[in-house]
Amino acid sequence: GQNIDQPTEMTATEGAIVQINCTYQTSGFNGLFWYQQHAGEAPTFLSYNVLDGLEEKGRFSSFLSRSKGYSYLLLKELQMKDSASYLCARMDSNYQLIWGAGTKLIIKP
Amino acid sequence: IAGITQAPTSQILAAGRRMTLRCTQDMRHNAMYWYRQDLGLGLRLIHYSNTAGTTGKGEVPDGYSVSRANTDDFPLTLASAVPSQTSVYFCASSEGTHNEQFFGPGTRLTVL
Repeated sequence: GQNIDQPTEMTATEGAIVQINCTYQTSGFNGLFWYQQHAGEAPTFLSYNVLDGLEEKGRFSSFLSRSKGYSYLLLKELQMKDSASYLCARMDSNYQLIWGAGTKLIIKP
Repeated sequence: IAGITQAPTSQILAAGRRMTLRCTQDMRHNAMYWYRQDLGLGLRLIHYSNTAGTTGKGEVPDGYSVSRANTDDFPLTLASAVPSQTSVYFCASSEGTHNEQFFGPGTRLTVL
């Protein structure tokens, strides 16, 4: 994706914790989104960060550092259904989303 | 209708043919978007509409056109399909331009 970097693939164990990192270009920044996409399905919204810090939502948390151009998505108590791609997207100065290529998360029993 | 729908689900098309992908939402969202998703690449914006009656070009608009005659519908037209337009196409909508986007189920298009 344009100016968005995230790992291509990660593997984790059921019940564990995994952190998916995303770095982005800091100019013209209007927020950072995370989406989940199961294979063959549409992306679904997970979180939105516009201020620095951690936003917690159940088993999922998202962190943002605007000065570093860095975000991460933290998934706790991993379940098999969490196997999916996780998409990081930066909202630019025109309020358009610039998407990363996604991180495919594989959960093993 | 609940949310956002797209039609057809999938289509195989001969190169040079004209094709319209349909998108309808019932959430009364102001903004709508068309993306394409290709393996190894992020979603790329084709065209968008911030409100009924207006449209704009995204990152990859060439070969595509859109219209937004009303709030609910946002069709995407390929005037003369080429093999490089083989992709999965997602329509999305949002209440405002700065809100989260809701995606339709996608159309898988193959151009031969």
